[in-house]
Amino acid sequence: KAGVTQTPRYLIKTRGQQVTLSCSPISGHRSVSWYQQTPGQGLQFLFEYFSETQRNKGNFPGRFSGRQFSNSRSEMNVSTLELGDSALYLCASSLGGRTNTEAFFGQGTRLTVV
Amino acid sequence: SQQGEEDPQALSIQEGENATMNCSYKTSINNLQWYRQNSGRGLVHLILIRSNEREKHSGRLRVTLDTSKKSSSLLITASRAADTASYFCATQTSGSRLTFGEGTQLTVNP
Repeated sequence: KAGVTQTPRYLIKTRGQQVTLSCSPISGHRSVSWYQQTPGQGLQFLFEYFSETQRNKGNFPGRFSGRQFSNSRSEMNVSTLELGDSALYLCASSLGGRTNTEAFFGQGTRLTVV
Repeated sequence: SQQGEEDPQALSIQEGENATMNCSYKTSINNLQWYRQNSGRGLVHLILIRSNEREKHSGRLRVTLDTSKKSSSLLITASRAADTASYFCATQTSGSRLTFGEGTQLTVNP
């Protein structure tokens, strides 16, 4: 079974630009969650999508958005990039149950904003 | 914000020794999970322990959970250089959302 695939692996963007990251979950998984990892803040939850609907949202500004397609693939978008958005963005795939659900992570997208 | 704290922040041991990492959290949980991360890469799921379980084993890993103290520990026995990584605990209260600790950096010296 293929794992979680994130593309691209690396990105360099300029302040003010926008960026779109992609995540393909494990086949059969209906939940996709996104996390931001930085040295200062650690791993922070961005949002979760289940069956094309946002089911949960972390404490991030509206510049961070996402969506999920009917095949469960998900994208996240960051508009008006700031230097502080430089981070490793991780996508997690799970079956989507309400409890006791193991999450499987992709390799991440390393975003650098200059 | 982080759910809890991990202790120690960094741990350096020799190959063959055991490594113990601790995690504390603040709220009631459905389960607690441990993950490993190698240098800036993705997280690898190690083990999930439910709130009604006290101990769980997987190969060289042993996890305990004390819900009365809101704490968990991860024991890696007979460590290897390949175990060098950051280890994170994460709690799950509802849905698929995970709240992570700050992590323990484990270095296993050959």
